[in-house]
Amino acid sequence: GAVVSQHPSWVICKSGTSVKIECRSLDFQATTMFWYRQFPKQSLMLMATSNEGSKATYEQGVEKDKFLINHASLTLSTLTVTSAHPEDSSFYICSAPTSGRYNEQFFGPGTRLTVL
Amino acid sequence: RKEVEQDPGPFNVPEGATVAFNCTYSNSASQSFFWYRQDCRKEPKLLMSVYSSGNEDGRFTAQLNRASQYISLLIRDSKLSDSATYLCVVNTYTGGFKTIFGAGTRLFVKA
Repeated sequence: GAVVSQHPSWVICKSGTSVKIECRSLDFQATTMFWYRQFPKQSLMLMATSNEGSKATYEQGVEKDKFLINHASLTLSTLTVTSAHPEDSSFYICSAPTSGRYNEQFFGPGTRLTVL
Repeated sequence: RKEVEQDPGPFNVPEGATVAFNCTYSNSASQSFFWYRQDCRKEPKLLMSVYSSGNEDGRFTAQLNRASQYISLLIRDSKLSDSATYLCVVNTYTGGFKTIFGAGTRLFVKA
């Protein structure tokens, strides 16, 4: 299947700092990428849809000024958690759909964020 | 009503058992369907796409019933390594492309 990478795989930061997470599609182009958050023992929650060349679309309840998304190219989307707080500690996962007939989603390996 | 609904389980089955997961979706305009598995603290991985005619991949069989808006996954001869959360996933294209995830069904296969 298609490959999506994510960096970093884990990060620990102090409260109040900003953290940038990168998501790359390695062997295909993705005009759209998705960002999810998952808390322990809970299901994936879609945070936002990242669109190459235009603004991201945020799900209800997700603060766009706190979770900045930039889709810089057809293979790269970044999520910046600004002024992180302990409650932002979570598993952040990105995905990108292929352009094939069924638009299967392939996921990055996730970034585990811990805010102290 | 959730757009994609699954029985959360958990399903506890012995090795060798056959287990079936069901999923319903609410948007009749949905066009493509998938089953993913997610292991603890890992990202979801595509298990199989679900085709209109149904499809099989080894011990796994997926079925789609568009009239009832229902998807199923059957696992035969369960292995310990099948223990995971199985996610039902639906792509819709109304008002833009969107992927909807079910909350997942937990499966525990015991020796």
